[in-house]
Amino acid sequence: GAVVSQHPSRVICKSGTSVKIECRSLDFQATTMFWYRQFPKQSLMLMATSNEGSKATYEQGVEKDKFLINHASLTLSTLTVTSAHPEDSSFYICSAPLSGRTEAFFGQGTRLTVV
Amino acid sequence: DAKTTQPTSMDCAEGRAANLPCNHSTISGNEYVYWYRQIHSQGPQYIIHGLKNNETNEMASLIITEDRKSSTLILPHATLRDTAVYYCIVRVAQRNYGQNFVFGPGTRLSVLP
Repeated sequence: GAVVSQHPSRVICKSGTSVKIECRSLDFQATTMFWYRQFPKQSLMLMATSNEGSKATYEQGVEKDKFLINHASLTLSTLTVTSAHPEDSSFYICSAPLSGRTEAFFGQGTRLTVV
Repeated sequence: DAKTTQPTSMDCAEGRAANLPCNHSTISGNEYVYWYRQIHSQGPQYIIHGLKNNETNEMASLIITEDRKSSTLILPHATLRDTAVYYCIVRVAQRNYGQNFVFGPGTRLSVLP
């Protein structure tokens, strides 16, 4: 079946550095991908919608200059957390819809820890 | 999208059927019921979805009441690996390029040995 792959699955970085998370659609093309964030014991919250070949759309309260999204190809979207701080530590998850299907497929998530 | 209400948590004995309820009394005629689950430290996994007829696949069955105001996800023979948070989401089905899913708090199912 359709698979969405995220990399890395886990990353630890120092405060002030930047971290890039990749989200790939395997065996299908995704013109749109969604990025979610999940804090401990909370549900997933949509951060932004990534659109291939155009600018991402950010949800209210999400800083676009801090969470850079690039969707340069039909199978890859990247989320870069710039100048990371400990409060950015979270579980980041991407998803992609498969054309012709109504359900979306989710990556395995990336656990970011900023120390 | 219609709002859903689920119990915060449930327990189920291993090997027994797990019945997870969801209320969606404000569901519209063109909205589907979707179920996802999230095992600890993993991304959500699609389980099943339906409009008004009962649905069954290799993972679960979905029973939707005739008035569509509630539904039940049934895991026929729960195993320890079914321990997860289960999300019931109601939304319009969009086939082209999709739309994000809005996740509520879900039901934390614990399958006990």
